[in-house]
Amino acid sequence: GESVGLHLPTLSVQEGDNSIINCAYSNSASDYFIWYKQESGKGPQFIIDIRSNMDKRQGQRVTVLLNKTVKHLSLQIAATQPGDSAVYFCAENPTSGNTPLVFGKGTRLSVIA
Amino acid sequence: GAVVSQHPSWVICKSGTSVKIECRSLDFQATTMFWYRQFPKQSLMLMATSNEGSKATYEQGVEKDKFLINHASLTLSTLTVTSAHPEDSSFYICSARDLRNANDEQYFGPGTRLTVT
Repeated sequence: GESVGLHLPTLSVQEGDNSIINCAYSNSASDYFIWYKQESGKGPQFIIDIRSNMDKRQGQRVTVLLNKTVKHLSLQIAATQPGDSAVYFCAENPTSGNTPLVFGKGTRLSVIA
Repeated sequence: GAVVSQHPSWVICKSGTSVKIECRSLDFQATTMFWYRQFPKQSLMLMATSNEGSKATYEQGVEKDKFLINHASLTLSTLTVTSAHPEDSSFYICSARDLRNANDEQYFGPGTRLTVT
């Protein structure tokens, strides 16, 4: 079936370094992608999104890159801070309309002070 | 804006009892809400799609008679775990889309931690 997956289950980075979290998706019809951050015991928190007609989108300290050719999505966090430690999920909207998002497996980011 | 709340935030119940979890969109209306379940160190798994005024749509493998969903208004959906067992212990999260927005973003609640003893 269709799925969204992640290359790296865990990622440890030094405080101040840049972090890159990757995600592969398999549904070429997906037109909307979101990155969520989830801290322990809390619900997912929206970070940044991107539509399939774009290949890059920047936010505050975060950048999402979309490569439709290889069906790859990445989240870049600049100057990673201890507060960035969490699990990050990519999610895709497989069809247009009011359908649920499909989540990837998640990557745990640990920031080393 | 676009805040989703859940109640309770955590609950402990005895095996065999039923537990009701509420999901509310506080400042927007949502004809559709989604219920997810998350086990430790795992991703969110969609359980069902809750539709206002109609029956919920359940994902394969989710027992509709065990996980009762009621979406009686545009701002409230409830999930009742009936005859709960220890294996139902999990983190239950709801989400909703804002009808006013053309984007597809889903707003998530803070989750409800259910522990069945």
